[in-house]
Order: sequence, then structure tokens, then C-alpha cells
Amino acid sequence: DAEITQSPRHKITETGRQVTLACHQTWNHNNMFWYRQDLGHGLRLIHYSYGVHDTNKGEVSDGYSVSRSNTEDLPLTLESAASSQTSVYFCASSPDRTYGYTFGSGTRLTVV
Amino acid sequence: AQSVTQPDIHITVSEGASLELRCNYSYGATPYLFWYVQSPGQGLQLLLKYFSGDTLVQGIKGFEAEFKRSQSSFNLRKPSVHWSDAAEYFCAVGAGSGYALNFGKGTSLLVTP
Repeated sequence: DAEITQSPRHKITETGRQVTLACHQTWNHNNMFWYRQDLGHGLRLIHYSYGVHDTNKGEVSDGYSVSRSNTEDLPLTLESAASSQTSVYFCASSPDRTYGYTFGSGTRLTVV
Repeated sequence: AQSVTQPDIHITVSEGASLELRCNYSYGATPYLFWYVQSPGQGLQLLLKYFSGDTLVQGIKGFEAEFKRSQSSFNLRKPSVHWSDAAEYFCAVGAGSGYALNFGKGTSLLVTP
């Protein structure tokens, strides 16, 4: 069965370190998205991609980057982790705007 | 500016009672509308969606939602709530040529015996 997987599920890192969160989907969806979820803020869009080599900034992109070298993967990199980036991160994919998203199970990141 | 508002942060209902969760949006174009549910510690699951046609849409788990253009609303309803419906519910809106969705801040549903 097709799926979207995120790894790791949990991670603790230190302030200033570079961290990469993985997102891999086997749905063959062109569109992929990264959100962060924080209490009181709901889900906020970080970056998104509409296809290979395409990346776009979302609402809260500062301190984050993504790259899309193939259809299946959209890794999210925190260039220099900050305590404000402690959050739960969700990856999602979609084939078109009317389909809705399929979400991964999330990565809980703690920056100490 | 485009926005999605879920006015109720928390809602408590008794098991067997009816439920309505509110969602209001502010978009210039015809929106694409979604409701998602998130159980504790889990990812988000699509309940239902609207993008055209009949303004009353049916979803999974006995949920339905009605699109009211005049009120810029897309409220989620269920006639009889079960204890397993306790979760966080998110309304999401997309519009125009983009695929990215804008999510509300969520409504936490508590179901009492």
C-alpha cells in the first residue's frame, strides 16, 4: 500500500545544530508540504513543493530549508536549531487541490 | 488577508448528543474546504471536503458539513457523538491556483459519558 512516512518520530537536539527531518511518500504525488504544529497556533506552513526541483516558502520559513531531488522525498532542514523550533512537524502530500492532503505521522522535535 | 477561523477552542458534549463545530473563512476566490481530525499523538485524517456541487457533503465516521457561501462558513456536524470522537478537529481552506492549505487553529472536542 502507498504511504507517507516521516523519520525520526522523536528527536532531541542541541541549539545551533543542523537537523534534517525526512519525509518519504510512495503515492507518487507531485505536491508535498511541511507544517509545524504548536499549541494555540494550529498548523502553520513552512515550505512546500509542486514537483522535482520546485520549492516555495510558506508562512514560517525562516530558519528552515527544503530540497526536492525526486518525487518521493522532501527533507526539511533546520540550519541552526533554535529553542523556538521545538514543535511537532508534519509532512503531507497531495495529487491535486481538490483531493486534500495525506499526512505523515509527525516528528516531535525538541531543541535544548 | 486570507484567514480561517475556528471560534471555539474547546467544546464539550455528552455522548449521544449532537455536535456542530464552526469554521469561518475569508477568501476572495471560491475556496476548497476540508475538515480533518487528529486523535492524540496521531497524524491528521481527512473527514470530508467540498470544492463544488452540493453544498451539504457527507464524510467518514458519520460526519457532514455544509458550505454556506453567504456566511463564509463550513460547519461540521454529527447527529450523535460517540466517545471515540474525542479529538482535535481542524478546518482547512485552499483557494486559487495554489495547492497549499491554510488551517484553522483547531477545536478540541471532549465527550462526556
